[in-house]
Amino acid sequence: DQQVKQNSPSLSVQEGRISILNCDYTNSMFDYFLWYKKYPAEGPTFLISISSIKDKNEDGRFTVFLNKSAKHLSLHIVPSQPGDSAVYFCAALTGGFKTIFGAGTRLFVKA
Amino acid sequence: GAGVSQTPSNKVTEKGKYVELRCDPISGHTALYWYRQSLGQGPEFLIYFQGTGAADDSGLPNDRFFAVRPEGSVSTLKIQRTERGDSAVYLCASSLVAGGRTDTQYFGPGTRLTVL
Repeated sequence: DQQVKQNSPSLSVQEGRISILNCDYTNSMFDYFLWYKKYPAEGPTFLISISSIKDKNEDGRFTVFLNKSAKHLSLHIVPSQPGDSAVYFCAALTGGFKTIFGAGTRLFVKA
Repeated sequence: GAGVSQTPSNKVTEKGKYVELRCDPISGHTALYWYRQSLGQGPEFLIYFQGTGAADDSGLPNDRFFAVRPEGSVSTLKIQRTERGDSAVYLCASSLVAGGRTDTQYFGPGTRLTVL
């Protein structure tokens, strides 16, 4: 039973445009959400996070939006750059240290 | 400074053999995590250490899997009687203090285990 779902396995975006990666979750006890970025042959790297008491968090070109009623979060990258091409994982915490990851979305940013 | 390192980077073994995977966390990080990532999936939590003790091993799939961290630094994940289904990338991460919710986990590059 997947508690964190990333239903789009891949996304292709033109350089300079907005990339929107989506994530849905089923566990209403999740209270902290994270996005990680992963390049081939490397471990995931933390990108941005959001607490369940907020609905938006912004860090440079990256913004995460949380819709608790819909159990949905999204990561916006504006403007997208070729170096953003990677696999992006959505993840969630229930209040402790156990992180539940989605299956990932592979982003291709075309120059 | 040095990041999380994992050795070996690749391990090929035969079904039924025993393997050990090593993780060197960032110096000073007290929390250490092991994950397993199968093809096309995200990392799956296995075990979490706070210092020398396993605070949560609920993600270990069965008793063939065991992990230790005897001095609160390096950790070893041990798999007995390996099965083909154990083939995956095993990731290690560390963070400065316990908590998880606000402490960034830093991941190593992983060990790719292939069981023939």
